[in-house]
Amino acid sequence: DQQVKQNSPSLSVQEGRISILNCDYTNSMFDYFLWYKKYPAEGPTFLISISSIKDKNEDGRFTVFLNKSAKHLSLHIVPSQPGDSAVYFCAALRGFGNNDMRFGAGTRLTVKP
Amino acid sequence: NAGVMQNPRHLVRRRGQEARLRCSPMKGHSHVYWYRQLPEEGLKFMVYLQKENIIDESGMPKERFSAEFPKEGPSILRIQQVVRGDSAAYFCASSPSGSWGSGEQFFGPGTRLTVL
Repeated sequence: DQQVKQNSPSLSVQEGRISILNCDYTNSMFDYFLWYKKYPAEGPTFLISISSIKDKNEDGRFTVFLNKSAKHLSLHIVPSQPGDSAVYFCAALRGFGNNDMRFGAGTRLTVKP
Repeated sequence: NAGVMQNPRHLVRRRGQEARLRCSPMKGHSHVYWYRQLPEEGLKFMVYLQKENIIDESGMPKERFSAEFPKEGPSILRIQQVVRGDSAAYFCASSPSGSWGSGEQFFGPGTRLTVL
């Protein structure tokens, strides 16, 4: 049961432009969402999160938008840099502190110089 | 100031053998989580442990899989009588507390298990 879906397995963007990574979820009980970034041969690293009481959270070049009615969130990276090239995972939780975090399958972002 | 350490990084086993995966959390972290990533899929939660206690094993297969986090030493994920479907990357994460939401979890580099 794929409750968190990232429908684009890959995305290619030119350096300096905006990268938009999308994530959809099916479980309306999810109320906390996170984005992780993963380089090859490394574990995921936390990037940014958003609570369902917000519709936007910004941290430097990274902004996450949440549309609860559409059960959709997106990660915007602007401007994109070659070092942003990695696999990005969307994750969702039911309740802060809940252990059962559900991950999407990931989107491989390539930022071309 | 070492991060989460996992060993071995790569493990090859034949069907029917046992696999032992080790995870040393970050210094000062007493909470450990194990995840499995099958090819072309996202990470799937398996188990959450604190020192000497299993807190949540709802993601763990009922048979052949077990996990422990002893008072001394690393956390161990043990897979008995491995099958080809167990081939995956196994990630361990640790946190200073049991809270997820602030992104306090730190992941290790993973162990890639290949079952021949």
